Parts: sequence; structure tokens; C-alpha cells
Amino acid sequence: KAGVTQTPRYLIKTRGQQVTLSCSPISGHRSVSWYQQTPGQGLQFLFEYFSETQRNKGNFPGRFSGRQFSNSRSEMNVSTLELGDSALYLCASSSGSGANVLTFGAGSRLTVL
Amino acid sequence: QKEVEQDPGPLSVPEGAIVSLNCTYSNSAFQYFMWYRQYSRKGPELLMYTYSSGNKEDGRFTAQVDKSSKYISLFIRDSQPSDSATYLCAMSERGGSEKLVFGKGTKLTVNP
Repeated sequence: KAGVTQTPRYLIKTRGQQVTLSCSPISGHRSVSWYQQTPGQGLQFLFEYFSETQRNKGNFPGRFSGRQFSNSRSEMNVSTLELGDSALYLCASSSGSGANVLTFGAGSRLTVL
Repeated sequence: QKEVEQDPGPLSVPEGAIVSLNCTYSNSAFQYFMWYRQYSRKGPELLMYTYSSGNKEDGRFTAQVDKSSKYISLFIRDSQPSDSATYLCAMSERGGSEKLVFGKGTKLTVNP
């Protein structure tokens, strides 16, 4: 059974640019969540999508957005990049109901110069 | 005060030692408690999942939750070098919610 796949694994951007990250969940999983991981703040919840609808949202500015497609694949976008956006962005999928057992991908490491 | 506090370590122990990892939290609404393990350059993987107070054992791992003290623990018996990783506690208010609140993680090294 394939795991959660995130692309790209590594990317470098400059301030002011925008970036789009992609996540393919485990087959059959309808929920996709996104987290930001930094050394200073640890893992922080960005948002969760279930059946193409945003179901939960964390405390991040509007520059961070996401969407989910009908096949449950998800993308997140960060616009007007800032140096502080440098982080590991983790996607997790789950069935979306019952126990909140998340399966994480390996992450996309974003460096903003 | 952060919602979840976790000592970042690092923690270094000899092979075979018993390891104790802990988190405290301030939100009394948390009911679901998890421990994740994260190896370098990998995503976190779920180790233990418990609901409300009590103990749960799985092989060499035991998770304890004390809701009255707002304190959770993970014990690793007979630790192995392969247990070297960062351990993250996580919590949520309700099941089916993918909005988890994580501790910052404790980096553990088990020396052969």
C-alpha cells in the first residue's frame, strides 16, 4: 500500500515568490491535513481538507491556502514568501472519521532566501 | 504558556536502558493523546494512541495519560539504537479531528 507522497521534496525560493506543494494521500483516505514544522515552533497545524472542503484551519495568515481535488489529492500554496516561511511542510492523510490517526508524508523542505 | 510543553532534550542513553519521555499540557479539553516518532529526514509515524486517562502497552512501549495532572508519558523498555529519533507528543480535543497540537519533540539517542 503506497504511503503519502509529497512533491517536491526540496525547493528553494526567494522572498516575494509563491510556491505550490502537492500531496497524494493514501488510497481511500479522504482527509488531508497540512502542518508546518520549524525548529522554533515545532509542528503547527495549517489546515485540513475533507471531501474537497476545508474542515479545520489553524492560525496562519491568508498567504497560506490550500485546496483538495475530487481524487483527494491536495495542494497548498504560500504567496509572497517571507524568510520565516522556511520550514518542512508535512502532509498527512486519514480516513477523516473516527479516530484521528494520521499518516504523514516525508515532507517538502522549503528554503526561502 | 504553550498548550503543550515537551522537554526538547537531547536525551542520550545506553542500549538497554528504560527511557521516559513526558509532556504536559494546559488545555483540559484534550481527550486524545498520541506519540509520534520521527526519524531524520522522514515524516512522523504514529507509535501510540490513547483516549482519556490510563495506560496502554504495545511491545516495548507504554503510554500513560494522567488527565488530572495534565501529564502524559511514554516509556521505552530495553531501548535499542534503532529507537534513536525525535519523539513528539500530540493531542486533540476530539476524535476524527485532524487538528493535532504537538509538543516540540524530544531528540533521543540510544548508544550501542
